[in-house]
Amino acid sequence: NAGVTQTPKFRILKIGQSMTLQCAQDMNHNYMYWYRQDPGMGLKLIYYSVGAGITDKGEVPNGYNVSRSTTEDFPLRLELAAPSQTSVYFCASKVAGGPKFFGPGTRLTVL
Amino acid sequence: DQQVKQNSPSLSVQEGRISILNCDYTNSMFDYFLWYKKYPAEGPTFLISISSIKDKNEDGRFTVFLNKSAKHLSLHIVPSQPGDSAVYFCAASGRDGGSQGNLIFGKGTKLSVKP
Repeated sequence: NAGVTQTPKFRILKIGQSMTLQCAQDMNHNYMYWYRQDPGMGLKLIYYSVGAGITDKGEVPNGYNVSRSTTEDFPLRLELAAPSQTSVYFCASKVAGGPKFFGPGTRLTVL
Repeated sequence: DQQVKQNSPSLSVQEGRISILNCDYTNSMFDYFLWYKKYPAEGPTFLISISSIKDKNEDGRFTVFLNKSAKHLSLHIVPSQPGDSAVYFCAASGRDGGSQGNLIFGKGTKLSVKP
């Protein structure tokens, strides 16, 4: 199993640009999550999904959108990037309890 | 206001000794607690969790203790190994056990285990 994979690893965006962060898992997990981690801080939940076709907002959803058309994939869309979205983004999945499996992260800089 | 606090930004321990990482919380509605380990440039790794109905949970070298009255939990690593050097995050959730991902994370404690 590859576990949770994320692409790209790094990205620099200009203000106002858009991009999609990709996340995939091959463990057949229904629950998937997107978090962001700002420097020196803990992770904060952006969006989560309990299965294909079902998504919901987390603590910091503004400026982001998600979709979940398959069990495996959970892309995160940034529209109109802003400097405040400079962060490291982690995708995660789980079977039971809290998020257990995390991807390696995407480091995003918005200039 | 921080609901989950890890007051020690860093901790240095000698190899073979015990590492004790502490975490305090303010919200009495928190019902489930998790610890994660994170290496630089990698995603967090789940270590161990504990429900509020327990006061201790053990998994190999890792033990988590929960003191509900003090709103305090701690992670003990015995014996500490150089490979344990990482940032450790404490996280808390309500009764859903974190299923909805709405964990409140502390800022982390950087553990250095010296050979």
